[in-house]
Amino acid sequence: KQEVTQIPAALSVPEGENLVLNCSFTDSAIYNLQWFRQDPGKGLTSLLLIQSSQREQTSGRLNASLDKSSGRSTLYIAASQPGDSATYLCAVMDSSYKLIFGSGTRLLVRP
Amino acid sequence: KAGVTQTPRYLIKTRGQQVTLSCSPISGHRSVSWYQQTPGQGLQFLFEYFSETQRNKGNFPGRFSGRQFSNSRSEMNVSTLELGDSALYLCASSFTGSDYGYTFGSGTRLTVV
Repeated sequence: KQEVTQIPAALSVPEGENLVLNCSFTDSAIYNLQWFRQDPGKGLTSLLLIQSSQREQTSGRLNASLDKSSGRSTLYIAASQPGDSATYLCAVMDSSYKLIFGSGTRLLVRP
Repeated sequence: KAGVTQTPRYLIKTRGQQVTLSCSPISGHRSVSWYQQTPGQGLQFLFEYFSETQRNKGNFPGRFSGRQFSNSRSEMNVSTLELGDSALYLCASSFTGSDYGYTFGSGTRLTVV
């Protein structure tokens, strides 16, 4: 059974810091891995999608990597801003088109 | 381009009632999935539809059901509501489900009293 773990559960950093969020999964048989952002009481906003054949994806200040063999992904946020404060969720898609989510990392960027 | 639209945004229902939630996917998307989000269990998969066929179902009781129409719009129904059904219900759409990422709607907040 696929399990997704995110570390740390919560993170508080001063504005301007570069930071790394970690995601690990137990079964390497995935179609893709997606990082999402969720603001309180809102839906999910897709940040980056990495196909199983890819190693990384970049969008602006965000960079996500995928190491399928070791079951790990990292989301790197450069020069963090208060507007980056949110919960970040990692999800892998299994062979049945189901997304399996981690429990998220709650990020607070202090001005 | 319009995103995934979920209606209604908020619902308050009484135990024992039933409820229907609606999801309109992004134009051209044929795969629609539903997820339940609660503070205790996080995000859990309910079911996924592709071209009006349910391809996968999560571990939820039979009170939870869904369907997809020929225009890819989807509905989910929960019968005999229980207090534990209070949650944020999220719908997501994708072109095919496997090769593309999912785009999520804003969700329907269901409160059962």
